[in-house]
Amino acid sequence: ELKVEQNPLFLSMQEGKNYTIYCNYSTTSDRLYWYRQDPGKSLESLFVLLSNGAVKQEGRLMASLDTKARLSTLHITAAVHDLSATYFCAVDSLESGTYKYIFGTGTRLKVLA
Amino acid sequence: DVKVTQSSRYLVKRTGEKVFLECVQDMDHENMFWYRQDPGLGLRLIYFSYDVKMKEKGDIPEGYSVSREKKERFSLILESASTNQTSMYLCASSPPLQWKTQYFGPGTRLLVL
Repeated sequence: ELKVEQNPLFLSMQEGKNYTIYCNYSTTSDRLYWYRQDPGKSLESLFVLLSNGAVKQEGRLMASLDTKARLSTLHITAAVHDLSATYFCAVDSLESGTYKYIFGTGTRLKVLA
Repeated sequence: DVKVTQSSRYLVKRTGEKVFLECVQDMDHENMFWYRQDPGLGLRLIYFSYDVKMKEKGDIPEGYSVSREKKERFSLILESASTNQTSMYLCASSPPLQWKTQYFGPGTRLLVL
């Protein structure tokens, strides 16, 4: 069964600090997706990682993928209040002929001024 | 610009009522998805469709059905609403290739009394 786990589930950090969110998954997928959700709003795509060693960066966020370890990280550099949101990773794969797209439980990030 | 719309942002229904949630996308996407989002459980896939009149069960299809009569429209039906179906419902669409991100609608917050 495909499982996607994120940690931490909650993260409160000071502005200017660095931190990393981890996403572990149980299947052999080479594709991993990161989304952001602001309170009361829907999800929007941040990154799509399509191969082992892939790294994508946008502003203060950088995502990487290690398919051998089945691990993706979302690194936050010098956090600012605007980054406060819930971050989800998701993995898709074919399991027993069935297409699956599974989200992690999300990491709720709060950046304190 | 990519657009996924959902028929209602907020909905209040009574136990036993039949509920229709509609989703429309204007991107000519083949794949469409219905999720529910609950605190602590992340997003869970209810049903998805990869073509007109085609549907596949997701992880939690019980108590729900779907309809896809036209490519741009994907409806979620609660045959007889129950209180445990109170949730945020999110619709998404994606192009046919598996390694693509999903585009989400704004969500419908459903309360079943």
